Amino acid sequence: AQSVAQPEDQVNVAEGNPLTVKCTYSVSGNPYLFWYVQYPNRGLQFLLKYITGDNLVKGSYGFEAEFNKSQTSFHLKKPSALVSDSALYFCAVRDVVGYSTLTFGKGTMLLVSP
Amino acid sequence: DAGVTQSPTHLIKTRGQHVTLRCSPISGHKSVSWYQQVLGQGPQFIFQYYEKEERGRGNFPDRFSARQFPNYSSELNVNALLLGDSALYLCASSRPTSGGQDTQYFGPGTRLTVL
Repeated sequence: AQSVAQPEDQVNVAEGNPLTVKCTYSVSGNPYLFWYVQYPNRGLQFLLKYITGDNLVKGSYGFEAEFNKSQTSFHLKKPSALVSDSALYFCAVRDVVGYSTLTFGKGTMLLVSP
Repeated sequence: DAGVTQSPTHLIKTRGQHVTLRCSPISGHKSVSWYQQVLGQGPQFIFQYYEKEERGRGNFPDRFSARQFPNYSSELNVNALLLGDSALYLCASSRPTSGGQDTQYFGPGTRLTVL
């Protein structure tokens, strides 16, 4: 079975500082990995995904994520945080082997202070 | 293009009642998935439909059912509502690609409250 772990319930960072939101995964084969963001009372908004190729994936709003196969991690990063980045972030995985759906982590709340 | 739309936005029901939630996918998307998001948790997969056929089902009781129509819109039905069914129900659409590389795009969700 595939699974995702987001070890931090909340990440606090000051505006202008770099941010990292952590994600580790478990799949039986090779993974497809996704990051989504959710603002209050809204649905999930797609940020970026890793399918294959370059381990550093660039996405929307200046976010990027680094795929590390040996550590089974896919951490979300941004060089300079904005107050407007404050939201709930979800990591999700899909196993390449066979048909499978997205499995989400429990989410990490990012709070960026002015 | 319009994104994924869901109706209604909010819904209040009492235990034992039945509910129908609706979803319209992005134009050109033929796959629709349903997720349940309980407060404080990540979305949990309920169903996926592609070309009107059920492609996958999550670990939910038979009280949950869904269908997809010829125009690719979808309905999620829940019978005999329980308090624990209170959640945000999310619909996602995608344009399936070979190998499962497709991205799912989510609607705003329907907030169901069961009293």
